[in-house]
Amino acid sequence: DQQVKQNSPSLSVQEGRISILNCDYTNSMFDYFLWYKKYPAEGPTFLISISSIKDKNEDGRFTVFLNKSAKHLSLHIVPSQPGDSAVYFCAASEDSSASKIIFGSGTRLSIRP
Amino acid sequence: NAGVTQTPKFRILKIGQSMTLQCAQDMNHNYMYWYRQDPGMGLKLIYYSVGAGITDKGEVPNGYNVSRSTTEDFPLRLELAAPSQTSVYFCASSYSRPGPPRGTGELFFGEGSRLTVL
Repeated sequence: DQQVKQNSPSLSVQEGRISILNCDYTNSMFDYFLWYKKYPAEGPTFLISISSIKDKNEDGRFTVFLNKSAKHLSLHIVPSQPGDSAVYFCAASEDSSASKIIFGSGTRLSIRP
Repeated sequence: NAGVTQTPKFRILKIGQSMTLQCAQDMNHNYMYWYRQDPGMGLKLIYYSVGAGITDKGEVPNGYNVSRSTTEDFPLRLELAAPSQTSVYFCASSYSRPGPPRGTGELFFGEGSRLTVL
């Protein structure tokens, strides 16, 4: 039972345009959401997070949007740059199990020139 | 500042062999985690620890054991290796439980250990 789903295994975006990565979750108890970025042969690195009390969080070129009623979040990257090419993981945790973070299967983003 | 260090980076095991994946962090983090990543899949939590002497199971603990005798170290033990344990293993740590404010709950990952069981 996948509690966090990233239904697009891959995405290709032209440099300079907007990249939108999507994530759906099934557990309504999740109250904290994170995005991680992973380059080949490296561990994931934290990118941005959002608490369930917010619907938007921005950090430079990265914005995460949360729609609790739809159990959906998205990561927007504007403008997309070649260095953004990586695998992006969506993750979530719930307060009652605060030590566990559940990850999605990842979306491979490729930025083409 | 080394962060999270995992050893070995690569290992090939025969079925039935045992081994320990080492993980050390120098950030004085209380929380430590072991995840595995299979091809095309997300990271699955194997075990985690909220402090020295305290460990708990994650989503996929079968076939593994952990210990946390110090804050810095969190080794993962594989007993009787099986082909299903072929995976990339990531150790991670965080200062506190996942959650706001930023700067406390984010996980810091090691570079991973690629294990093949033949």
